[in-house]
Parts: sequence; structure tokens; C-alpha cells
Amino acid sequence: GDSVTQMEGPVTLSEEAFLTINCTYTATGYPSLFWYVQYPGEGLQLLLKATKADDKGSNKGFEATYRKETTSFHLEKGSVQVSDSAVYFCALSDRLAGGTSYGKLTFGQGTILTVHP
Amino acid sequence: EAGVAQSPRYKIIEKRQSVAFWCNPISGHATLYWYQQILGQGPKLLIQFQNNGVVDDSQLPKDRFSAERLKGVDSTLKIQPAKLEDSAVYLCASSLEPGSINYGYTFGSGTRLTVV
Repeated sequence: GDSVTQMEGPVTLSEEAFLTINCTYTATGYPSLFWYVQYPGEGLQLLLKATKADDKGSNKGFEATYRKETTSFHLEKGSVQVSDSAVYFCALSDRLAGGTSYGKLTFGQGTILTVHP
Repeated sequence: EAGVAQSPRYKIIEKRQSVAFWCNPISGHATLYWYQQILGQGPKLLIQFQNNGVVDDSQLPKDRFSAERLKGVDSTLKIQPAKLEDSAVYLCASSLEPGSINYGYTFGSGTRLTVV
């Protein structure tokens, strides 16, 4: 079945440091890939997405590139801020050939990011 | 537009009691999902509705969990009887149409259940 594996956490950085959170996946179809963020006390929010190989998703300075050859979708940001402190989830939604997405999301275990001033 | 509404926000019950959660999706969203998020883990799909029909309930523990979506709008998720391992956040989400994950898959804030 489908699965998503995220790097072990938590991650603690100083403000303006470079961030990488690794994510690899296993899927039988043609998945779309996502990063969701959960700020303290809030619900899950879509951060960025990529729907096919070599696509780059980006939002709020975060980027991730869909690498089919390595089945990876690593999240990066060049300079983190204190306000980026949150839990980050990598997720996939599998699709059959033909592009029909079922909408079901399979999540990784989440990575807690703490950014200090 | 209004978001996905869930209630209650928090619930504490004793084991073997029953509990129900309510979800009101975004207006016009045909697909509704319930996810269970245990502390330290990613959310796991429990059940997916398309209008008022069930699309996927393969991971729903049917001996104690039940869910319904009357008239294809609001949904309730029930646990009876609850076990300690049911302590989790229960997330509701909705999307515009089946498979339209690229068009606004929105999560509610969740209900945090503690079973003691």
C-alpha cells in the first residue's frame, strides 16, 4: 500500500538558517504530493503541492520538487523565521492511470520544527 | 467562504462511554472525510463520503466506530464504546468533488478526544 516516510524529528534551528525536511514515498499509481503545515492550536493547512514528476511546488518561501526517480519530495526553505515553527506533514494522494484522483491522503508522521530567535 | 466546522473542540470521557463528533463541511463540497490523528503521528483516514454514500471505510473499526452523512451535508462520527487507544484528534475535511484534491481540500480544526 501507499506510505510516506519523513525524517526523524524534531528539528530545531536558529532564525535565518536553511531548512530541509526529507520525505520519501511509496505508491502504486501516479501520486500527487503535498506538504501540509499545522501551526499550534490550528488545523492542517496546505503549504504546497506537486502533481507530476519534476514539478516544483512553492509557497511562502518553501519549495519542494517531485523527484520520481528517487521517490522523494523534500521540503526546503532558505531562511526560516520564528513564525515557521509548526508541525510539517508530507502526504500523497494516489491516482490511477488517467489522472483520476481519489482524494484520500496518506500522511507521514510529521516533523516538529522549532525556530529560535 | 466559511471553513469546515467541527464540534466539540474538546471532549473527555471515560472508557466504555460513547461519544459523537459533528462536522459541517464547506457549502457545496460533495466529498467529506474523517481522519484520526494520534499524538505524534500523521492523520489516518477513517472514512470517506461522496455526497451521502460511503466511498472508503476500510480503516474504520466498525465494531465501535460508525459514521453517517445525512442529506449529503453534515456528518457525525460516533464511538461506542470508547477505548483508551481512541484518544486522538478527529479531523474532518471536505473537497469540492470526487478526486478534486487540487481544488480546495480543507480541514477543520478538529475535536480532541481524551479517553480516561
